Amino acid sequence: RKEVEQDPGPFNVPEGATVAFNCTYSNSASQSFFWYRQDCRKEPKLLMSVYSSGNEDGRFTAQLNRASQYISLLIRDSKLSDSATYLCVGLYGQNFVFGPGTRLSVLP
Amino acid sequence: DVKVTQSSRYLVKRTGEKVFLECVQDMDHENMFWYRQDPGLGLRLIYFSYDVKMKEKGDIPEGYSVSREKKERFSLILESASTNQTSMYLCASSSPIEAFFGQGTRLTVV
Repeated sequence: RKEVEQDPGPFNVPEGATVAFNCTYSNSASQSFFWYRQDCRKEPKLLMSVYSSGNEDGRFTAQLNRASQYISLLIRDSKLSDSATYLCVGLYGQNFVFGPGTRLSVLP
Repeated sequence: DVKVTQSSRYLVKRTGEKVFLECVQDMDHENMFWYRQDPGLGLRLIYFSYDVKMKEKGDIPEGYSVSREKKERFSLILESASTNQTSMYLCASSSPIEAFFGQGTRLTVV
């Protein structure tokens, strides 16, 4: 079983919609989690860190539920430019363990 | 601006060739990583290094080796390339809380 799992999608949503991704992890040893964004044919880049208390960055909200071992990302008022693959990442020691990614397409 | 640079964007090599993929970072990071990314499988860790001359196997090290002679440079070596090593290869270096990636090398082995 993979350490970090995600629904690969694709999620096809209209502009302006709210969309949520979940990610589950099997190894509770990780202290930190992140969401990375990867555009087509580009490298992954950090979108935001995820805290147990929940954190928000503009239209993006991330949440960590340690009891249930899942992480979520909520995107409000989605834009065409949000189309990308979203990678859930756990930090285990000094290693970043990536989920397979969830592909989002925002449609006009 | 932080930077991780991979020597090639695209490479085509023949089966059995020895292949070198080079990665350089300018952030003075101790940690460096090599991943491969394949459709449906996500990023899989091949090797990582926490310091000069140190290396650790990741999840899929078979068929690969690495070299870290200087802090800023981490090389991935395919000793004898095979067609199942056709993939996107991504190098990263990291601070304690963020990984920074190079632009990737798309390697095709024919």
